[in-house]
Amino acid sequence: DTEVTQTPKHLVMGMTNKKSLKCEQHMGHRAMYWYKQKAKKPPELMFVYSYEKLSINESVPSRFSPECPNSSLLNLHLHALQPEDSALYLCASSPLSGVNTEAFFGQGTRLTVV
Amino acid sequence: SQQGEEDPQALSIQEGENATMNCSYKTSINNLQWYRQNSGRGLVHLILIRSNEREKHSGRLRVTLDTSKKSSSLLITASRAADTASYFCATARSGSRLTFGEGTQLTVNP
Repeated sequence: DTEVTQTPKHLVMGMTNKKSLKCEQHMGHRAMYWYKQKAKKPPELMFVYSYEKLSINESVPSRFSPECPNSSLLNLHLHALQPEDSALYLCASSPLSGVNTEAFFGQGTRLTVV
Repeated sequence: SQQGEEDPQALSIQEGENATMNCSYKTSINNLQWYRQNSGRGLVHLILIRSNEREKHSGRLRVTLDTSKKSSSLLITASRAADTASYFCATARSGSRLTFGEGTQLTVNP
């Protein structure tokens, strides 16, 4: 299994809603990532988890809250988002952080905040 | 902030032609990677070149890296309509903490 699975594929939420994005991989990867991508722009790193611990937070607003319950799962909890947070949210994983490896990406969750 | 810049921003060619995309970056790197993205969905890894390598091949792909100029190029030979996608270079200073370039939108016309 070389897939990173993200759910849901699409999400529409109001500014007062609380929702969660989910990401799962069964490749035994110990580094997992959240990226945000706006239309016609490159992905931007949000968070990095290494061995289930948050190692990098790229100054992301607190309305985005990541969680890594175990080595296979990564969640992104959303609360009080703004319309400008509408974007494609990509999860990725890699075998280890700190070595020359590729990242495996999920298909993303397209989020619309209304 | 994104440190990679790619040119051209958009490239349109005919099937069978070669496509060349360039990427420049600003800081020292461990490796440089190229990814493909179809229709705003997930990214697919194409090739990784380490900072001590100068050229690498994978099928119809050829990547070069010039660390003195902080630049890389991706060549796709004998292009196909299915190669139509956005192509991003990404640099890694540590592990797979990737910083992506602005991307090149490639259109291959049948």
